[in-house]
Amino acid sequence: KNQVEQSPQSLIILEGKNCTLQCNYTVSPFSNLRWYKQDTGRGPVSLTIMTFSENTKSNGRYTATLDADTKQSSLHITASQLSDSASYICVVTSGYSTLTFGKGTMLLVSP
Amino acid sequence: DVKVTQSSRYLVKRTGEKVFLECVQDMDHENMFWYRQDPGLGLRLIYFSYDVKMKEKGDIPEGYSVSREKKERFSLILESASTNQTSMYLCASSSIRLATYNSPLHFGNGTRLTVT
Repeated sequence: KNQVEQSPQSLIILEGKNCTLQCNYTVSPFSNLRWYKQDTGRGPVSLTIMTFSENTKSNGRYTATLDADTKQSSLHITASQLSDSASYICVVTSGYSTLTFGKGTMLLVSP
Repeated sequence: DVKVTQSSRYLVKRTGEKVFLECVQDMDHENMFWYRQDPGLGLRLIYFSYDVKMKEKGDIPEGYSVSREKKERFSLILESASTNQTSMYLCASSSIRLATYNSPLHFGNGTRLTVT
């Protein structure tokens, strides 16, 4: 069964600090991996999409990494801002169009 | 920018009522999806559609039906709402294959449905 596990479940950091969120997956066959940011009460917004051939992908202060061998991805947030407070969801595509969602990491950036 | 618009942000309905949730996208996308999102459970797929008048069951279709009469519009129907259908409902759309690198999945802002 395809699974996506995210850790930690929740995280509190001080404004200006960096943090790293983890995503481990057991999905086959792997097509791509996406990271989404979801603000409270809003729909998820895409941050990055990576295929197995990509190790790193950046979007501003967000940097995603992918290790297809160990089936792990991470999302690194640099110099956090209050507006980074949100849920971050890892989504893996397998085969033609099957999506498997992680349950998300809730990040709170404190002033 | 792609826009996926859900007709209501908040909805309160009574048990047994028939409920319609509407979703419209403006990018001529072939694929449209309905998810529900509950705390601790993440997003779960209810139904999806790859073309007009075409629908496929997702992981949790019981108690729901869908309609796609036009390419841009995908409706979720709760035939007889129950309290366990209280949830956040998210609509999404994408072009043909999600496995394609440049095929993003766009979400609407969700409908928070409360069934009393």
